[in-house]
Amino acid sequence: SQQGEEDPQALSIQEGENATMNCSYKTSINNLQWYRQNSGRGLVHLILIRSNEREKHSGRLRVTLDTSKKSSSLLITASRAADTASYFCATGSDRGSTLGRLYFGRGTQLTVWP
Amino acid sequence: DGGITQSPKYLFRKEGQNVTLSCEQNLNHDAMYWYRQDPGQGLRLIYYSQIVNDFQKGDIAEGYSVSREKKESFPLTVTSAQKNPTAFYLCASSPSPISYNEQFFGPGTRLTVL
Repeated sequence: SQQGEEDPQALSIQEGENATMNCSYKTSINNLQWYRQNSGRGLVHLILIRSNEREKHSGRLRVTLDTSKKSSSLLITASRAADTASYFCATGSDRGSTLGRLYFGRGTQLTVWP
Repeated sequence: DGGITQSPKYLFRKEGQNVTLSCEQNLNHDAMYWYRQDPGQGLRLIYYSQIVNDFQKGDIAEGYSVSREKKESFPLTVTSAQKNPTAFYLCASSPSPISYNEQFFGPGTRLTVL
């Protein structure tokens, strides 16, 4: 399956702490993206990292990608209650029939307590 | 105000009825996608369209149908052949049908079969 798998399924932390979520996948990819979903809403794109990149930053977000281990991590620093949401990784490869498709994992539910 | 809209937000259907979920975008995007999300699950692709007048089956197309007669519109019909249609349905679009593009999501339609 090309679907990514996030770990842990649920994460509960206090405000100010860092939150780390991991994503593993099984096939070769050309990019990996992270999305956020607030309860009952659509997904919002956070960050994209290409297969030739190892690390990327955006504000309080830091994403790493290790293609040899087929894994990625999303770090949210100094978390806030407003960061409470589900976070999904999505992989793309654009090979043949997968052109334009993203494969989403099941997500990590992050709860940040005030 | 550019974006992607879905209607209705909530939809109730009796068993044996077909229902159509609306998805409209004014972002001038070529590619559009329909996903299904079940509780605690990731997103599963139902159908996608890389360009107007063209669409392909995703991983769970059985019991669903789509059309793409206009660039800005990609309606999804849930037919009576879909055995377990109760779910949260998300529509997305991207500028072109390559996975490097982020996908922009609508707010979703929650379908409940009574």
